[in-house]
Amino acid sequence: SQQGEEDPQALSIQEGENATMNCSYKTSINNLQWYRQNSGRGLVHLILIRSNEREKHSGRLRVTLDTSKKSSSLLITASRAADTASYFCATAGRETSGSRLTFGEGTQLTVNP
Amino acid sequence: DTAVSQTPKYLVTQMGNDKSIKCEQNLGHDTMYWYKQDSKKFLKIMFSYNNKELIINETVPNRFSPKSPDKAHLNLHINSLELGDSAVYFCASTVGPASGRQFFGPGTRLTVL
Repeated sequence: SQQGEEDPQALSIQEGENATMNCSYKTSINNLQWYRQNSGRGLVHLILIRSNEREKHSGRLRVTLDTSKKSSSLLITASRAADTASYFCATAGRETSGSRLTFGEGTQLTVNP
Repeated sequence: DTAVSQTPKYLVTQMGNDKSIKCEQNLGHDTMYWYKQDSKKFLKIMFSYNNKELIINETVPNRFSPKSPDKAHLNLHINSLELGDSAVYFCASTVGPASGRQFFGPGTRLTVL
């Protein structure tokens, strides 16, 4: 399976509800990032959490990282229809140069008005 | 004032043709990337340049040749296009070769007929 697997693959909720997406990975990381992609658009960076951090907040976003389980979760609180998008986690390795992001397969979030 | 721009946005061409996609970033970043996103939205890195030097070259057919005339530009030339090359190609940039947040372009949807 791929580095950075998201779960679920698709999530449909009502406006105002919380949305939780999970990501698992296989190798040691320097950091883990979450990106959003609206239909037909490029990816937009949401949040970065370093390997020595356990939790991070940004507005309505809350990210957790458990390096012992090699997993992360993204929580979007009080969701809005505008949050409808694909969400990707991406892991960054520990290389000192030429570092790359390895993306998961994404979670398609649909927020119904 | 687009940070990372790509041209063209759409490219429809016949098998066997040669085509180029251009990318420019006005963020002053040192590192640029090309990614390929397939029909299942899986995003895979292809190449990365740091200050015009190739630092990442994934297992990509040698029909794909990146060129970086300066650190603000990274172009992708594809020879002898095949049906399987149909995908969305994203350019991205970041401050340095380490694993910080990346800024993505809007994508180029390539369709090979």
